[in-house]
Amino acid sequence: DIVLTQSPDSLAVSLGERATIDCKSSHSVLYSSNNKNYLAWYQQKPGQPPKLLIYWASTRESGVPDRFSGSGSGTDFTLTISSLQAEDVAVYYCQQYYDSPPWTFGQGTKVEIK
Amino acid sequence: QVQLVQSGAEVRKPGSSVKVSCKASGGTFSSYSISWVRQAPGQGLEWMGGIIPMLGPANYAQKFQGRVSITADESTTTAYMELRSLRSEDTAVYFCARERTGLYETHHPSAFNIWGQGTLVTVSS
Repeated sequence: DIVLTQSPDSLAVSLGERATIDCKSSHSVLYSSNNKNYLAWYQQKPGQPPKLLIYWASTRESGVPDRFSGSGSGTDFTLTISSLQAEDVAVYYCQQYYDSPPWTFGQGTKVEIK
Repeated sequence: QVQLVQSGAEVRKPGSSVKVSCKASGGTFSSYSISWVRQAPGQGLEWMGGIIPMLGPANYAQKFQGRVSITADESTTTAYMELRSLRSEDTAVYFCARERTGLYETHHPSAFNIWGQGTLVTVSS
């Protein structure tokens, strides 16, 4: 199975500052035939289901604010929140959906306000 | 707008079974993969298995093989997850989730853009 390791496990960022979360995969999730990275990012707030933010590693889901961006390729990926807002306090997960199941998630990164 | 509505909270004794439902409304059902993902208290997300209703059968994570059954009823646009031989470690919130693209758009897997509200299953003697 593909293992996703997120870092850090938690971070505290001042309002308006940048937050960066890394996700490292044990196997490349880049599909050579279409040059797409099969990696997504989700935001989860307490008591709610996860919400899709980013898919194909860098494509923002409809309705997601443009302060959220995804980057990376192959095995190393980053989620960036360019200017942290109070409503961004949540746990963030990366997930791979490369090739065939099982799909796996990173362990999560908790983002708080400093 | 597609919605997934799950059945309510359940309490079960160790060794018993539970079956959780996930009803889809407002869009196409049969050609989209639906997965089940669980989250133990204070823990992360764990994929259990998934099914494309028009194709079947389901794929399962190795960890749950033999203990879980995922099915779908196209006539009622409802997916089900049954977990057997329950133990206390199965106490969790169980989510159903639909992939954002279906079989008629691509044969490739995709991310989960629609989630059910979650069903808390408590296993306790």
